[in-house]
Amino acid sequence: SAVISQKPSRDICQRGTSLTIQCQVDSQVTMMFWYRQQPGQSLTLIATANQGSEATYESGFVIDKFPISRPNLTFSTLTVSNMSPEDSSIYLCSVGPGEAFFGQGTRLTVV
Amino acid sequence: KNEVEQSPQNLTAQEGEFITINCSYSVGISALHWLQQHPGGGIVSLFMLSSGKKKHGRLIATINIQEKHSSLHITASHPRDSAVYICAVPLRAQKLVFGQGTRLTINP
Repeated sequence: SAVISQKPSRDICQRGTSLTIQCQVDSQVTMMFWYRQQPGQSLTLIATANQGSEATYESGFVIDKFPISRPNLTFSTLTVSNMSPEDSSIYLCSVGPGEAFFGQGTRLTVV
Repeated sequence: KNEVEQSPQNLTAQEGEFITINCSYSVGISALHWLQQHPGGGIVSLFMLSSGKKKHGRLIATINIQEKHSSLHITASHPRDSAVYICAVPLRAQKLVFGQGTRLTINP
């Protein structure tokens, strides 16, 4: 199993600012995923973070709003840019393929 | 129609009761995951199964591939079992698709 450390665990941010979330895995993994979970909802995939190339975004998510970095096989960041209250959610990273290991989540509140 | 359907959406029970949460899916899969999410937001993987049954402590997960159905059972439920339970299946390049979750509350 993989151990995933995600930080920050929570933050309260002003609208218009950006927050970068970090995800560190204790072993090399092929695929890393970023999810958003809006209040009362299930998880929605934002993008797949690919090592050495641009992330692959799901429909409804764009790089300008959610830039992702994947500098190596154990680390990735997700930035939530130009935040609005609608971005208040839990953001989670996970690893793959085929696994279901998640970071602890980042609970973001935008005020 | 969602590819993964869970029931019930909410479940409240008394401590000690036997709990069953169901998950149905509409596509062929290689495996199914049961996850637990606590109020803080973190998600813990409980089981990954592709056939039959798995047991870990008071938790039991079963899957019927032919019927495209899985169940998660909790025996002798305890208030610390209160959480959201989510089933998920890998589809399309190993991306996970999630059920809506079942919010379980166990009262002492």
